[in-house]
Amino acid sequence: QVHLVESGGELVQPGRSLRISCAASEFYFSRYNMNWVRQAPGKGLEWVAYTSRDAVIKYYADFAKGRLTISRDNSNNRLFLQMNSLRPDDTALYYCAREGEGGSLDYWGQGTLVTVSS
Amino acid sequence: SYVLTQPPSVSVAPGETARIPCGGTNLGGKSVHWYQQKPGQAPVLVIYSDVARPSGIPERFSGSNSGSQASLTISRVEAGDEADYYCQVWETGSGLRVFGGGTKLTVL
Repeated sequence: QVHLVESGGELVQPGRSLRISCAASEFYFSRYNMNWVRQAPGKGLEWVAYTSRDAVIKYYADFAKGRLTISRDNSNNRLFLQMNSLRPDDTALYYCAREGEGGSLDYWGQGTLVTVSS
Repeated sequence: SYVLTQPPSVSVAPGETARIPCGGTNLGGKSVHWYQQKPGQAPVLVIYSDVARPSGIPERFSGSNSGSQASLTISRVEAGDEADYYCQVWETGSGLRVFGGGTKLTVL
């Protein structure tokens, strides 16, 4: 069974940086495109970023461009999100999600909580 | 950027049929996916590519997509179907993934 486990979320001050990660198991990680999706408390789902299986192609939501960077380590089956210049409105539960057919997100982790507050 | 529009809420009695719409410009030309999210849980894919059901999703869940509107239909609604439902597309031109605002399904 596909397993995705996010980690690294914590309370961080505005303007600081944080890197969160997602450990993948029980599937061939290097064969799949991956995404980050976030959900602010009490709000809906918001797509953050995408990386192709070989990390050559990356896409970002407008709010993420220039501040958030998606990366992956296929040797260790890990996905990362580097977040710089964090703002209070970045406070959210961050999910990693595997991309399936047609751009769907067929498996999700349980999320890691990032709180940006002074 | 592309926008998907969903009603904030839909209510239905047990045993009835729930239809959750998702609107967008020329949506019929895109592949629509649907997710179910129960409180405190991660989203679960229930319909992909407009009409396909992942393994383990009951046949009561079905999808359609035409023109400017897609719909998720849940037949014989059960109390356990109460959840938030989100539609999503992949904007192939820009590479962006887009979610609708979500619809809270209440089972009366």
